[in-house]
Amino acid sequence: GAGVSQSPSNKVTEKGKDVELRCDPISGHTALYWYRQSLGQGLEFLIYFQGNSAPDKSGLPSDRFSAERTGGSVSTLTIQRTQQEDSAVYLCASSPMTGVYEQYFGPGTRLTVT
Amino acid sequence: SQQGEEDPQALSIQEGENATMNCSYKTSINNLQWYRQNSGRGLVHLILIRSNEREKHSGRLRVTLDTSKKSSSLLITASRAADTASYFCATYTGGGNKLTFGTGTQLKVEL
Repeated sequence: GAGVSQSPSNKVTEKGKDVELRCDPISGHTALYWYRQSLGQGLEFLIYFQGNSAPDKSGLPSDRFSAERTGGSVSTLTIQRTQQEDSAVYLCASSPMTGVYEQYFGPGTRLTVT
Repeated sequence: SQQGEEDPQALSIQEGENATMNCSYKTSINNLQWYRQNSGRGLVHLILIRSNEREKHSGRLRVTLDTSKKSSSLLITASRAADTASYFCATYTGGGNKLTFGTGTQLKVEL
């Protein structure tokens, strides 16, 4: 079956613009996660969804970041008024449920803010 | 501070040799997982070891877990150039819903 997909694969944007990153999880997976990885760094947890609900938003770096998930499937991560420090690879993962299980990752979106 | 810290940060070996990476973590866990990342993009799940297991094998991979020392090791036997990647350990924290990754070990396998 299809794995986790993300779009776009690469995004170059000017400082101050808004961007939307999309994640399509594996069908039937109720848990969805967003991570950020800056160049040469480890993974930074941003937010997770159980169904359409995001119980823990504490990992979002600032109020310029928001995420939503509709229909228990597709999720969108929105960054408003992008800054150069937002440049990173944004990774999405899904799993059958939260906790316990392994996560299946998408290929990521490389965001470059100029 | 990192929930998981790995050492070494970087490891360079010759093809055919074994590679060992270590991971330490801080809080109690249900399981510990290892992932591989090629070229800074998507991660691939390698193996999961539960807290009541001490050792697990999958192909050329061997994982050990010592919950008393809060540490795990990943052994790759008979390494190949294709094993060149970054390897991360990960555990669930934050009430069990947040997967926290270690700092990673960059493995380079040379021909």
